Amino acid sequence: GIQVEQSPPDLILQEGANSTLRCNFSDSVNNLQWFHQNPWGQLINLFYIPSGTKQNGRLSATTVATERYSLLYISSSQTTDSGVYFCAVVLGGYQKVTFGTGTKLQVIP
Amino acid sequence: GAVVSQHPSRVICKSGTSVKIECRSLDFQATTMFWYRQFPKQSLMLMATSNEGSKATYEQGVEKDKFLINHASLTLSTLTVTSAHPEDSSFYICSAAGTETYEQYFGPGTRLTVT
Repeated sequence: GIQVEQSPPDLILQEGANSTLRCNFSDSVNNLQWFHQNPWGQLINLFYIPSGTKQNGRLSATTVATERYSLLYISSSQTTDSGVYFCAVVLGGYQKVTFGTGTKLQVIP
Repeated sequence: GAVVSQHPSRVICKSGTSVKIECRSLDFQATTMFWYRQFPKQSLMLMATSNEGSKATYEQGVEKDKFLINHASLTLSTLTVTSAHPEDSSFYICSAAGTETYEQYFGPGTRLTVT
């Protein structure tokens, strides 16, 4: 099956710092989404981004489908950004979602 | 965006009993819903794909007789954990796919504890 690897697995940031999270996938995909899982387990949709670049406030994402990776940028990080970030992909022709390994982010004051 | 609800959010049950978890798409119709399981500090693992009006498709290693899935309408799918054991304790999350894109919308999850 498709492999979805995220890096780094863990990240500690000082409040106000910027960061880049990476998602590599091993096959062509129809869909890629980024999620933030809060401490209560809720998955928050950040981006639906099968290709191209999108921005939403302090967050932006870029997916280069031909090179099989996606990046999530967090600027001016805040303590509320803490949690686990997942990318998730959908293979071509299917709706089944495969989640990445996750990046655990801790933003300290 | 689309909203998916789950009920209950948290449940504690005794070993040997069955527990039903509901997943509802509140403002859209979902012909396909998905059930995931997440152990502490791990990623989400797909358990099964639930199709309205037909049998669910289970991932390899998931016991279909233990995890019963019913998708009786376009807005409701249920997961029943039968004869639960402590090792079934986990966080269960459902999702529903939009009909025009592959974008997935996730429920808030159900934390199951089996004592």
